[in-house]
Amino acid sequence: EDQVTQSPEALRLQEGESSSLNCSYTVSGLRGLFWYRQDPGKGPEFLFTLYSAGEEKEKERLKATLTKKESFLHITAPKPEDSATYLCAASNTGFQKLVFGTGTRLLVSP
Amino acid sequence: DSGVTQTPKHLITATGQRVTLRCSPRSGDLSVYWYQQSLDQGLQFLIQYYNGEERAKGNILERFSAQQFPDLHSELNLSSLELGDSALYFCASSYGTGDGPGQYFGPGTRLTVT
Repeated sequence: EDQVTQSPEALRLQEGESSSLNCSYTVSGLRGLFWYRQDPGKGPEFLFTLYSAGEEKEKERLKATLTKKESFLHITAPKPEDSATYLCAASNTGFQKLVFGTGTRLLVSP
Repeated sequence: DSGVTQTPKHLITATGQRVTLRCSPRSGDLSVYWYQQSLDQGLQFLIQYYNGEERAKGNILERFSAQQFPDLHSELNLSSLELGDSALYFCASSYGTGDGPGQYFGPGTRLTVT
């Protein structure tokens, strides 16, 4: 069965303290690995799609990387506004079905 | 703002009742997806429609049904509601069904069944 596991469940950082979030996946024939940001009570906000091992994408303080078994979301010098839940999802059928992890709750303190 | 709209924002109803949730996709998007998010389950894929036709099914209960209309908006119908159906229901949209940018999510409908 396709599965996505995220760690840690929660992460507390000081402003400026860089760290990484992990997403491990067991999906046969991965077609895409997706990262989303979700604020409380709101819909997930699309961040990145990664398609193949070795691929990297960046957006402001965020960088996503992909290997054959896992993906990392690196947060460089985070700010309090980066506080949110970060969700990882995988698909082996294009966009027809995304399997989501349970997310990492990130809190960045000033 | 993702461009995906959902109504209503909140819905409170009693067990055994039926409700309809509505979603309008981003302009130009042909695919609509429905997800359920509860505290203990995370985001669960329910069903996908592409240009009016059902394309993929996930963990959708038989009490739930959906459709996509010619103007591409979609409705999710939930019937014989149970307490456990209380959750956030999200709609997402994308242009196609294959590879490409990710799905874009709406703000969600919070359903409370009492």
